[in-house]
Amino acid sequence: AQSVAQPEDQVNVAEGNPLTVKCTYSVSGNPYLFWYVQYPNRGLQFLLKYITGDNLVKGSYGFEAEFNKSQTSFHLKKPSALVSDSALYFCAVRGPLTGGGNKLTFGTGTQLKVEL
Amino acid sequence: DTGVSQNPRHKITKRGQNVTFRCDPISEHNRLYWYRQTLGQGPEFLTYFQNEAQLEKSRLLSDRFSAERPKGSFSTLEIQRTEQGDSAMYLCASSLGRVTEAFFGQGTRLTVV
Repeated sequence: AQSVAQPEDQVNVAEGNPLTVKCTYSVSGNPYLFWYVQYPNRGLQFLLKYITGDNLVKGSYGFEAEFNKSQTSFHLKKPSALVSDSALYFCAVRGPLTGGGNKLTFGTGTQLKVEL
Repeated sequence: DTGVSQNPRHKITKRGQNVTFRCDPISEHNRLYWYRQTLGQGPEFLTYFQNEAQLEKSRLLSDRFSAERPKGSFSTLEIQRTEQGDSAMYLCASSLGRVTEAFFGQGTRLTVV
């Protein structure tokens, strides 16, 4: 079975500082990894994905994520946080086709709060 | 708007009533997913369609839940004899392929009173 862990319920950061939102995963075989963001009472918006290739993936709104196979991690990063980045962030994994690969499995989410 | 559309956005129903939600995916997407999200949790997978075929269902999907995707276009999710525990946000998503990202609708918030 595939799973995702987001160890921090909330991350607080000052505007202009770098931010990191942590994610670790468990899946059989090669993972397909995704980050989504959710604003209040809204659906999820896709930020970025890792399928294969370069371990550093760049996505929307200046976000990037680093895939680390040995640590089974896919941490979300941004060099300089904005107050408008404050939202709920979800990491998700999709496994190989034979291992539940038709669905995304989400973590419990990390609330990011960026303060002035 | 060419995104995933869900209707209604909000639904309040009395316990024991039946409710039906509709999802219109992005038109060229052949894969459609239903998820349920409760407060403080990540979305949980309910079911998946490839074109009109329902290929996977979660154990979360009890007998009171049924989903359809006639002709591989829009999808409906029906909950019969609603219970208070069914109160949640129901999210629909669609994708073009298995490794491509899924695009989510705004969700239908169900409140069972």
